[in-house]
Amino acid sequence: GEDVEQSLFLSVREGDSSVINCTYTDSSSTYLYWYKQEPGAGLQLLTYIFSNMDMKQDQRLTVLLNKKDKHLSLRIADTQTGDSAIYFCAESPDSGGYQKVTFGTGTKLQVIP
Amino acid sequence: NAGVTQTPKFRILKIGQSMTLQCTQDMNHNYMYWYRQDPGMGLKLIYYSVGAGITDKGEVPNGYNVSRSTTEDFPLRLELAAPSQTSVYFCASGSRSQETQYFGPGTRLLVL
Repeated sequence: GEDVEQSLFLSVREGDSSVINCTYTDSSSTYLYWYKQEPGAGLQLLTYIFSNMDMKQDQRLTVLLNKKDKHLSLRIADTQTGDSAIYFCAESPDSGGYQKVTFGTGTKLQVIP
Repeated sequence: NAGVTQTPKFRILKIGQSMTLQCTQDMNHNYMYWYRQDPGMGLKLIYYSVGAGITDKGEVPNGYNVSRSTTEDFPLRLELAAPSQTSVYFCASGSRSQETQYFGPGTRLLVL
């Protein structure tokens, strides 16, 4: 079955860049997502990328996709304490609004002031 | 719009008790989902529904039941609570026109 893997923890200093990595196994993945979960809250979509793209930039966020290696990364520039959260990588064979989405284990980002 | 709402926020159950986790969405989404989140394990799909009257099992349905009598509501029922059901439960909804599911704030359940 599909599998999405992430490291569990990342610690960075405020102002540095954070890079969160993810690997997935399903070659039919079309949508690849990054979600953010703040303490005590549900998941919020941060950004997503289609499988036919290599890169997507959205303000401080840069998503890189290496489809050959099935590797997805999320770079957060100028990381702030408000970025402390759990970040989930996820994939779906089609639009996640109505398709089964497979989530990774989540990476807890700790930002040190 | 309130989005996806879940009640209760937190509940402690004794082994063998039953309860219903409520989920309501006001976005007229056809698709609704129940996930559980265990520490370090990501989200696992319990049940989902593609419309009123239609439900189907996800990856981890054992010990749970659902119903979908209306578009808005998708309650999750635990009949005989077990410690293994201690988790955080998230309800989500979506539609074909959207790229993502929208999540509720979660219900934290502790079974002792």
